[in-house]
Amino acid sequence: AQSVAQPEDQVNVAEGNPLTVKCTYSVSGNPYLFWYVQYPNRGLQFLLKYITGDNLVKGSYGFEAEFNKSQTSFHLKKPSALVSDSALYFCAVRDSGNYGGSQGNLIFGKGTKLSVKP
Amino acid sequence: DAGVTQSPTHLIKTRGQQVTLRCSPKSGHDTVSWYQQALGQGPQFIFQYYEEEERQRGNFPDRFSGHQFPNYSSELNVNALWLGDSALYLCASNLGLVGEQYFGPGTRLTVT
Repeated sequence: AQSVAQPEDQVNVAEGNPLTVKCTYSVSGNPYLFWYVQYPNRGLQFLLKYITGDNLVKGSYGFEAEFNKSQTSFHLKKPSALVSDSALYFCAVRDSGNYGGSQGNLIFGKGTKLSVKP
Repeated sequence: DAGVTQSPTHLIKTRGQQVTLRCSPKSGHDTVSWYQQALGQGPQFIFQYYEEEERQRGNFPDRFSGHQFPNYSSELNVNALWLGDSALYLCASNLGLVGEQYFGPGTRLTVT
């Protein structure tokens, strides 16, 4: 079974410092990996994805993620955190099954709350 | 270009009642997926509709059903509501096999 783990419930960072939000995955076959962000009382916003190619993926709002196949990880990073980055971050993997022409569903981690203090 | 829209925003129902939630996909998208997000949890997949058919289903009982219309919009129906059905219901849409899923703002359902 495919799964995603986010080992940290919360990450605290000072504004201007680099941030990392961790994610590890378990899949059969090649992983399709995603990061989404959720602000309070809002839906999920797509940040970035890894399908194939370069292990360093750049996304929205200055975020990037590093795919590491040997460690089965896909950590989210940002060189300099902003207070406005404070939100709930979800890592997800796409189910790789064959569903008659439609793509597999997303399997989410439980989320990591990022708190950036001034 | 409108993104994914959902209605209503909030809903309060009584245990045992039935509810219908609605979703319009992002322009150009043909696939709609529904997720349930309980408080403090990650979204859990309910089902996905493509070409007006349910293509995948998560681990949810038959009380949860859906429909996709020719214009690609979708409905999620929940019968015989339980207190445990209280959650944020998210709709997501995508195009084809590769494109990422875009999420709507969700419908907050409270069952009392």
